Amino acid sequence: ETGVTQSPTHLIKTRGQQVTLRCSSQSGHNTVSWYQQALGQGPQFIFQYYREEENGRGNFPPRFSGLQFPNYSSELNVNALELDDSALYLCASSSPGQGQYFGPGTRLTVT
Amino acid sequence: QQQVKQSPQSLIVQKGGISIINCAYENTAFDYFPWYQQFPGKGPALLIAIRPDVSEKKEGRFTISFNKSAKQFSLHIMDSQPGDSATYFCAAREWGNNDMRFGAGTRLTVKP
Repeated sequence: ETGVTQSPTHLIKTRGQQVTLRCSSQSGHNTVSWYQQALGQGPQFIFQYYREEENGRGNFPPRFSGLQFPNYSSELNVNALELDDSALYLCASSSPGQGQYFGPGTRLTVT
Repeated sequence: QQQVKQSPQSLIVQKGGISIINCAYENTAFDYFPWYQQFPGKGPALLIAIRPDVSEKKEGRFTISFNKSAKQFSLHIMDSQPGDSATYFCAAREWGNNDMRFGAGTRLTVKP
């Protein structure tokens, strides 16, 4: 059974740029959730995708957007990057009603 | 908008001791309460979870105690080991809602 994988591991971007982060869900899971984890804090829910549609969204602006593909993998896109977007971005996959399993995260630094 | 309050912020325990981390919540619609363990540079790993229809769940050295009336739940790590040194997060989710709310985390250090 393959776990959740994310790419890239680390990324450095400049303020105002755009970034795309990728996630492959665990085998058998059809739901992907994205979280932002600032240093020293708990993860904050960004949004969730189920069957290629957004299925819930946290308190994040529209410049955070996403996609889910037929194989259940997912992308997180952030436009017009701000310094405060620097964080660890976590992807978690699950099946409905089950626990979420997290990937190792992508560390994004915005300078 | 933190709906789950976790304490303590940090905890130091001797090897073989019991580590206890507490969480409190306000939203009575929460119906799923997991605990996650996170090592530096890694994503959180699901440790154990409980639903409000039971008061306790045990898996190996890890036990969740749940008090529905007090709106509190706690993680007990028995026979704590240096390898348990990590940050632990409690979380809660409302039925029908996909937004998992996390506590701020507890950094546990187990001294040999």
